[in-house]
Amino acid sequence: AQKVTQAQTEISVVEKEDVTLDCVYETRDTTYYLFWYKQPPSGELVFLIRRNSFDEQNEISGRYSWNFQKSTSSFNFTITASQVVDSAVYFCALSEGTSGTYKYIFGTGTRLKVLA
Amino acid sequence: KAGVTQTPRYLIKTRGQQVTLSCSPISGHRSVSWYQQTPGQGLQFLFEYFSETQRNKGNFPGRFSGRQFSNSRSEMNVSTLELGDSALYLCASRTGPVQETQYFGPGTRLLVL
Repeated sequence: AQKVTQAQTEISVVEKEDVTLDCVYETRDTTYYLFWYKQPPSGELVFLIRRNSFDEQNEISGRYSWNFQKSTSSFNFTITASQVVDSAVYFCALSEGTSGTYKYIFGTGTRLKVLA
Repeated sequence: KAGVTQTPRYLIKTRGQQVTLSCSPISGHRSVSWYQQTPGQGLQFLFEYFSETQRNKGNFPGRFSGRQFSNSRSEMNVSTLELGDSALYLCASRTGPVQETQYFGPGTRLLVL
């Protein structure tokens, strides 16, 4: 069965610290997609990144970087030099096509608090 | 391009009433999904519509229903509201029901008293 686990419920860091958010997934499919979304207090989920199961290259976008490791079924997200504006709930999601359409399964989210 | 829009943004209802929420997808997106988000259950998938047909359904009672119009706009309806239906209802759109990225709207916050 497909499952996404975000074991860290809440993380607090001081501004400028680096922080890594963990995501572990389970799937039987060989073709699947992984996503990270950010949910600020306003409520809207903001898309951050998508990776497919065939692309294990790490990705860096400004202060954000993602480490995808199929061997450990993990897709971790690192924020370098965190800022107060990074405070939000971050969701990892898995999408696979076992049902014929690609349904999203979300983790429970990690609340990140960046303190000034 | 305008993003996903949802109306209304906030809603207060009483138990037993029914409610209809609306979602307009990004232009060109034909797939619309609905999610319920609560502190206890997290983000749960309700259903997905593509070309006016329901393609996928989550584990929710029949009180939760939806539809999609020919212009891809979607509505979801909850009948006989219960206190536990209080939640943030999020709509997401994508070009089709396959692996494209979903883009979310701001949500409708429903409070049932």
